Amino acid sequence: EAGVTQSPTHLIKTRGQQVTLRCSPISGHTSVYWYQQALGLGLQFLLWYDEGEERNRGNFPPRFSGRQFPNYSSELNVNALELEDSALYLCASSLRTYGGNQPQHFGDGTRLSIL
Amino acid sequence: AQKVTQAQTEISVVEKEDVTLDCVYETRDTTYYLFWYKQPPSGELVFLIRRNSFDEQNEISGRYSWNFQKSTSSFNFTITASQVVDSAVYFCALSEFTGNQFYFGTGTSLTVIP
Repeated sequence: EAGVTQSPTHLIKTRGQQVTLRCSPISGHTSVYWYQQALGLGLQFLLWYDEGEERNRGNFPPRFSGRQFPNYSSELNVNALELEDSALYLCASSLRTYGGNQPQHFGDGTRLSIL
Repeated sequence: AQKVTQAQTEISVVEKEDVTLDCVYETRDTTYYLFWYKQPPSGELVFLIRRNSFDEQNEISGRYSWNFQKSTSSFNFTITASQVVDSAVYFCALSEFTGNQFYFGTGTSLTVIP
């Protein structure tokens, strides 16, 4: 069974640019989650999508946005990149969760560097 | 306030020693789930275990064991006879029945010295 796949693996951008990160969940998983892991910090929750809808959003500015497609894959968009956006962006997927009971399974992440 | 606290930032042990990683959580829900994840240097978080709030039975899986105690709101993780391959960052996480996100601790970086 293929795991969560993310692309690209690495990305280098400059301040002010825009970036799109992609995630394909495990087959059968309908929920997709995005996290930011900056150097030395834990996982900061960004977004949760399920069945194409945004279910919850973390404490990030509106320039962080995303969507989920009918095939349950997802994109994370970041506009007007800032230096502090440099981080590992992790995508996770899970089966439909009832009261948070499903474990999340993570991809390898996209390493975003802002110059 | 932090919902999940992993007070140990870094731990170093010599191979074959036992090591316990602490996790303390905070919730008002009576139904919740606790998780442990391992993040090796390669970066991918690997799911290790899930416990629900109604099951306080300790669990053992090979060299890994988990001690869940509701009375102290703790879900500690013990590695017996540690190996170099255990070197990683370990995260504890909480999911509440009434909530809609995972709360991760800040992680404990474990280094096993050969």
